[in-house]
Amino acid sequence: GAGVSQTPSNKVTEKGKYVELRCDPISGHTALYWYRQSLGQGPEFLIYFQGTGAADDSGLPNDRFFAVRPEGSVSTLKIQRTERGDSAVYLCASSLSGSQDEQFFGPGTRLTVL
Amino acid sequence: RKEVEQDPGPFNVPEGATVAFNCTYSNSASQSFFWYRQDCRKEPKLLMSVYSSGNEDGRFTAQLNRASQYISLLIRDSKLSDSATYLCVVTLYNAGNMLTFGGGTRLMVKP
Repeated sequence: GAGVSQTPSNKVTEKGKYVELRCDPISGHTALYWYRQSLGQGPEFLIYFQGTGAADDSGLPNDRFFAVRPEGSVSTLKIQRTERGDSAVYLCASSLSGSQDEQFFGPGTRLTVL
Repeated sequence: RKEVEQDPGPFNVPEGATVAFNCTYSNSASQSFFWYRQDCRKEPKLLMSVYSSGNEDGRFTAQLNRASQYISLLIRDSKLSDSATYLCVVTLYNAGNMLTFGGGTRLMVKP
């Protein structure tokens, strides 16, 4: 079956612009996670959805970052007033129910802020 | 101090060698433990779970020492295809299963 997909695969933007990153989880997976991976580091947790609701957004770095999952499937990560420090690979993962189920990662969106 | 610490490497080993990676975690409430593999410019993929009793999967053996808060991965008979970054991962009890990653250890297996 289809895995987690993310679009776009690459996004180049200018400082101060607004960007949206999309994640399509595996069909039927109720749990969805966003992580951010900077060069040479491991992924860092941003936000976790269970169904439509954000169950844990403690990893969002500041209020420029926001994510939604209105129908409990596709999720969009939104970044306002982008800064050069936002440049990273943004990874999305989904799991069947979110408890101890394996998380399957998408290929990521590489964001570059000039 | 990072929650999960790993030696970044790189570990350069010849084919057929045995190599071991270590990882320490700081939160004693950590509940589940994993090793993930990440190829260059690819997403992380689960390699194996880690249990106190040890876990073996072919050439790979993982071990957990809860008292020392220490996790290990042993790779026997290294193959060229084992070249990758190995990420040590923990989850906290009742934390929605969010994964906390170490910085990764890079392995390069040479012919």
